[in-house]
This record gives sequence, structure tokens and C-alpha cells, in this order.
Amino acid sequence: QQPVQSPQAVILREGEDAVINCSSSKALYSVHWYRQKHGEAPVFLMILLKGGEQMRHEKISASFNEKKQQSSLYLTASQLSYSGTYFCGTYLTSGTYKYIFGTGTRLKVLA
Amino acid sequence: DSGVTQTPKHLITATGQRVTLRCSPRSGDLSVYWYQQSLDQGLQFLIQYYNGEERAKGNILERFSAQQFPDLHSELNLSSLELGDSALYFCASSVGGQANYGYTFGSGTRLTVV
Repeated sequence: QQPVQSPQAVILREGEDAVINCSSSKALYSVHWYRQKHGEAPVFLMILLKGGEQMRHEKISASFNEKKQQSSLYLTASQLSYSGTYFCGTYLTSGTYKYIFGTGTRLKVLA
Repeated sequence: DSGVTQTPKHLITATGQRVTLRCSPRSGDLSVYWYQQSLDQGLQFLIQYYNGEERAKGNILERFSAQQFPDLHSELNLSSLELGDSALYFCASSVGGQANYGYTFGSGTRLTVV
């Protein structure tokens, strides 16, 4: 039931791009993306709604494919500050209020 | 400072005890959410309150309970504590009931059960 994120971990050089995927076996109503640095609270990045537009947060963008029940987070020209663990989160289906997080992706950006 | 205040920051207690964690949401936010983060289980949603009423439940144990008070602050009560309850407990708040405008997280309470 928990959305599966891929890859589990990724190491990048500063300036490189990365894509993180969040796939669900259940229909997705909306998808939220968060970043959490070690020892800190998660920070909300963006929300994607069913039928909504692709969203952006600085040089990070995300898309939502309802048919594939998948969301992707695109990190462009990565910066050192992008390092952390990225989680997707979602309400499983419209009208319900059960919220679940994805498995997480650890991202490390090297200088 | 995110505007969401959690107290205490650290708590060490013995097995079998009961503790209360407190969360004050950001000014203007009506929803409060509680999460548990442990090393082996990742980030887990526990429960949400919206304007004083329970709105959604996640994987919250029967030994745990929560409430949201008229001034919108919330308390998470954990009883009959076990070693496995050791974790970071975060609360977050949002304006509406489904957080379509995002969440703001507090800095967390680290609970250690010994």
C-alpha cells in the first residue's frame, strides 16, 4: 500500500540532474513532495493535484501521471543544498483522509 | 522558526510510562497532524485533527491518543510505552483539511524509552 520510491539512493555531482519516482498500486488523488535533511524536520516542497499543472519549487519540478499512478520529482542543476531524503506523500483515493508516505529516496550532492 | 511549536524537544522515559507531547500550530492553521519517524519504519502518519475534530487516522496504536483543544493546540498521549516507541514525533499544521496549500512542520520531539 505504501508508495514505492525509486531510486532508493542517488549520489550526484553539483550541477547534475536527477529524477525521483513515486509509484503507487492504488489510485492517487494528490501527491505531496518533501525534503528532509538529517536531524531536521521535513520541509514541504510542493503539491500536485489530479488534473493540475506541473509544479515548481526553485529548480525542482514535479509531474503527476494519474494513469500510471506515479509522480516524478525532477532536480535540475543540483546544488549542495539539495542533499537530503525526499519523500512523496499522498491521500490514497479522493474523499478519504488516510495519508501515507513513500519509502523515501536519499540524495547526496557532492561538490 | 516555522511557526509550529513542539514541546518538549527531548524526552527520556522508562517502559510502561505515559507521556504527553504538545504541539501549537502556526497562527491561522486549523489542522494539526502527528507523525512518527523511527529508523526502521520511516515516516508514518498517525492522526489528523481539523478545528477540534478528528479528521483522519493512520497507523496509530491503541495505546496512543490525541486531541485538539479549542485554542487549536494539540496533544499526543503515549501510554504503556515500549522500547519500540522510541522515535522522533513530528507535528505539522495546515490551513485547511487536506493541506492543499502545504504543511508546516515543527522541529519534533525525540522520545527515548529505556
